[in-house]
Amino acid sequence: SQQGEEDPQALSIQEGENATMNCSYKTSINNLQWYRQNSGRGLVHLILIRSNEREKHSGRLRVTLDTSKKSSSLLITASRAADTASYFCATDFRGSNYKLTFGKGTLLTVNP
Amino acid sequence: GAVVSQHPSRVICKSGTSVKIECRSLDFQATTMFWYRQFPKQSLMLMATSNEGSKATYEQGVEKDKFLINHASLTLSTLTVTSAHPEDSSFYICSASLLGMGRNTIYFGEGSWLTVV
Repeated sequence: SQQGEEDPQALSIQEGENATMNCSYKTSINNLQWYRQNSGRGLVHLILIRSNEREKHSGRLRVTLDTSKKSSSLLITASRAADTASYFCATDFRGSNYKLTFGKGTLLTVNP
Repeated sequence: GAVVSQHPSRVICKSGTSVKIECRSLDFQATTMFWYRQFPKQSLMLMATSNEGSKATYEQGVEKDKFLINHASLTLSTLTVTSAHPEDSSFYICSASLLGMGRNTIYFGEGSWLTVV
């Protein structure tokens, strides 16, 4: 089964800086999504990017997708302490009804 | 908007007992729900696909007789952890797909913490 792999596993930055997280996957996908998870809590959906899209923006978030390299990146600009969380990418394939395969995640710490 | 509710949010049970976790889609019908398990500081791992009116499809390595899934209605799926063991202590989270009607998206529950003592 395909599995996303994020890097870095952990990232510590100062408030105001940008944070970039990467995700790689192994097989063809239909969609790739990014989620945020605060410690011990459920998932918050951030962005969905389809396999025929290359870039999407949402507020301070920018996601890119390179299907030739089977990779995606999540950029958080002007980070805030409240952005401290784990970030996961998740992929699904056509016809799976959103059966998601999650990456290992990146733990982002934004220091005030 | 669509919401998926899980209950209980936290549960403690004794080894050897069974515990049931519910996943409800509150304002939409979900023919398919998914159950994931997440150990501390790890990612989510898919356990099974819950199909309304039919048997669940389990991922490789997940014991179907230990993790009983029932999807009896279009808004409710339940996960029962039988003969619970401390190793089953984990965060269990469900998701439900809303397909069609111009909206294709997935919603996650808030998760359920299970502690087996």
